[in-house]
Amino acid sequence: DQQVKQNSPSLSVQEGRISILNCDYTNSMFDYFLWYKKYPAEGPTFLISISSIKDKNEDGRFTVFLNKSAKHLSLHIVPSQPGDSAVYFCAASDEDYQLIWGAGTKLIIKP
Amino acid sequence: EAQVTQNPRYLITVTGKKLTVTCSQNMNHEYMSWYRQDPGLGLRQIYYSMNVEVTDKGDVPEGYKVSRKEKRNFPLILESPSPNQTSLYFCASSFGPFTGELFFGEGSRLTVL
Repeated sequence: DQQVKQNSPSLSVQEGRISILNCDYTNSMFDYFLWYKKYPAEGPTFLISISSIKDKNEDGRFTVFLNKSAKHLSLHIVPSQPGDSAVYFCAASDEDYQLIWGAGTKLIIKP
Repeated sequence: EAQVTQNPRYLITVTGKKLTVTCSQNMNHEYMSWYRQDPGLGLRQIYYSMNVEVTDKGDVPEGYKVSRKEKRNFPLILESPSPNQTSLYFCASSFGPFTGELFFGEGSRLTVL
């Protein structure tokens, strides 16, 4: 049973528009959430994180929102750029401090 | 340059032929981990190590072994590979698991025939 779910395998967005990637989780004990970005033939790289005591964290064009009551987090990219085309993974830290990963969403930015 | 290095990057082998995927990091990280990535399943943890001589099973440890004799190295051993171990493998490290900010290697694509 997947504790972290990314229900959209892919997402296509026009360059310059907002990209919104979603992630749902089931374990209310998760206390730290992260987004990683992965290009083909490379390992994932850390993008942005949020603690469960916050509901928003912003870093440049990237903002992560956390809705604990809905067990939902989202990553907003504004404005979207061609270099943002990648696979995005959502991950959550459990009580043993191990990361539980979603299946990933492939973001395609169209020119 | 700070990095996690995995070798080999690509390998095709046959069932039962023992193989080792090496992983080395130059950041003096205490925590190291191995993941496998399969379509639709995301990253699943195989084994992790909190420090030298300390290793623990992750979610999918069956068929794998690891060792942590030195801080910088964390090899993944497949004693008798089977086709269901065909996957993309990633090694990762960090100062600790608590921050969650892992540094990943470039991946090793393994095919077991």
